[in-house]
Amino acid sequence: AQSVTQLGSHVSVSEGALVLLRCNYSSSVPPYLFWYVQYPNQGLQLLLKYTSAATLVKGINGFEAEFKKSETSFHLTKPSAHMSDAAEYFCAVSERGNKLVFGAGTILRVKS
Amino acid sequence: DGGITQSPKYLFRKEGQNVTLSCEQNLNHDAMYWYRQDPGQGLRLIYYSQIVNDFQKGDIAEGYSVSREKKESFPLTVTSAQKNPTAFYLCASSRGTALHEQYFGPGTRLTVT
Repeated sequence: AQSVTQLGSHVSVSEGALVLLRCNYSSSVPPYLFWYVQYPNQGLQLLLKYTSAATLVKGINGFEAEFKKSETSFHLTKPSAHMSDAAEYFCAVSERGNKLVFGAGTILRVKS
Repeated sequence: DGGITQSPKYLFRKEGQNVTLSCEQNLNHDAMYWYRQDPGQGLRLIYYSQIVNDFQKGDIAEGYSVSREKKESFPLTVTSAQKNPTAFYLCASSRGTALHEQYFGPGTRLTVT
């Protein structure tokens, strides 16, 4: 079965600094990978997805992620953090049966 | 506007009572999902349905039941058999293939005392 590991349950960055949220997956087949963002007491919103086209995927709000098969990673980055980026971020991999397996999430804190 | 609605936003129940959470979508999606979210545990799949009148158990189905009588609706019942029902519940829908993302509703926070 597929699984997702998000390294770091909490990440803190200063406003304007690089954001790096780590995601590693295990999958027995070429994966489809997703990053979602969740603001407090709200549903999840898709940031970006990888579906085997370009390995560097650009998403909304200036985020991007790079698929690295050799490292089984799909880390999320943003060059310059904004206060509005403070939220919880989830990495997910698609599984047989059209289901998603989610990581435990990373809470991003942005310091002014 | 197309989207997913969940009602109510907050729900309070006494222990021993069954409660039904509503989920409606007007995206014309075939597949619908229910997740439970607890702090630090990510999202865990309760039930999912890929077509009307059919649904499958997810990873934590015990104590829950669902129905899928209409394409746009996928209600979740939290029964008295669920030992720890207090949680944030999220409904989602998708076109039903692996490469299509899931769209999420705003969630229902259930508190059972």
